[in-house]
Amino acid sequence: SQQGEEDPQALSIQEGENATMNCSYKTSINNLQWYRQNSGRGLVHLILIRSNEREKHSGRLRVTLDTSKKSSSLLITASRAADTASYFCATASGSGYSTLTFGKGTMLLVSP
Amino acid sequence: EPEVTQTPSHQVTQMGQEVILRCVPISNHLYFYWYRQILGQKVEFLVSFYNNEISEKSEIFDDQFSVERPDGSNFTLKIRSTKLEDSAMYFCASSEPRQGMNTGELFFGEGSRLTVL
Repeated sequence: SQQGEEDPQALSIQEGENATMNCSYKTSINNLQWYRQNSGRGLVHLILIRSNEREKHSGRLRVTLDTSKKSSSLLITASRAADTASYFCATASGSGYSTLTFGKGTMLLVSP
Repeated sequence: EPEVTQTPSHQVTQMGQEVILRCVPISNHLYFYWYRQILGQKVEFLVSFYNNEISEKSEIFDDQFSVERPDGSNFTLKIRSTKLEDSAMYFCASSEPRQGMNTGELFFGEGSRLTVL
């Protein structure tokens, strides 16, 4: 089974619109993180939400976490063309140190 | 701002050849990782390294792979005898020590693209 599955796989919107991406996972987690990847580049950390948190904000980003449904969403408000990238959720499991397991990602295209 | 640097940015090699990918993690970080991403696919965990030893490795990280921290700054990934299916982008990452050992934010390098012919 896959840990961290995002949907949709691809999302195309106009500048100024909001973009919502979802992530589902299967095992219990310690925290869930969202990363961004521009084409051919490295991953950049966006935001981390702990398992005992339900919502977190950072600038135009809003992340929610529902541990009962094992799901998270990333909302980007007032999107810009520069937000065009792939977005990945990643989960850290267990109570101590663990590696991150990444999902397949959502490719976001924001048109001017 | 401190960053993770990787070299080379792109390497082309013949099948069966040895490849060494190099990384300089952020200086005060204690956890080091290699991930890989085959074109168009998800980012896959290879190995994590802490306190001069492997702390965790995936099924992908077989006997053909090894990691080393030869000095206080470099962290290398060696592939002994490359196969066609090793073609991928390889990402190095590092993270800070955290109380309670919970996994926090990873800082990634820009990647080394490996093409095996």
